[in-house]
Amino acid sequence: GAVVSQHPSWVICKSGTSVKIECRSLDFQATTMFWYRQFPKKSLMLMATSNEGSKATYEQGVEKDKFLINHASLTLSTLTVTSAHPEDSSFYICSAETPGANSPLHFGNGTRLTVT
Amino acid sequence: GEDVEQSLFLSVREGDSSVINCTYTDSSSTYLYWYKQEPGAGLQLLTYIFSNMDMKQDQRLTVLLNKKDKHLSLRIADTQTGDSAIYFCAEIHTGGFKTIFGAGTRLFVKA
Repeated sequence: GAVVSQHPSWVICKSGTSVKIECRSLDFQATTMFWYRQFPKKSLMLMATSNEGSKATYEQGVEKDKFLINHASLTLSTLTVTSAHPEDSSFYICSAETPGANSPLHFGNGTRLTVT
Repeated sequence: GEDVEQSLFLSVREGDSSVINCTYTDSSSTYLYWYKQEPGAGLQLLTYIFSNMDMKQDQRLTVLLNKKDKHLSLRIADTQTGDSAIYFCAEIHTGGFKTIFGAGTRLFVKA
């Protein structure tokens, strides 16, 4: 149980275009999902907390107008990288919180974004 | 403040035991977790320990928790080449209910 599906697993786009990444909880409802960015050989950097039915909470230094997050249902959160630039190229990972206090996070398999 | 620290690199020979160490700062953490990340993949939950325990064993994995020293370790017995990955320890920070991750320990297993 507790499967999180992330799509696409990789995407290449041109500078200036927008890219949408989906994160789905397949067998549980997730009121809270998280979006991370990971640079090569580095740890996870929390970008934002996605709350179902309300606005996302962004970490300091993350541009909310550039990284649009929508959590319209209990099983889906999306991250849209708008007007992508080569410096946005990275590995993006989502996670979802399973129900229950202090429950572990379950992660998607990540999306490798390359902006040319 | 919130901090989870890990050594960045560990190299072992196949068949030996690996011990990955982690220290954390939030003494009120109730659960501590170990995740494994293989190249190009997301994080896989390996195991976790509740803070009122000092040891948990799950097949080849043994987690030791020293709550007094805020020290957590993951021991992998009979390490295999397939265990080569990055291992993250994490705690739930009860102040903000965020999960705080260490920087990850890269485990290399030599055949």
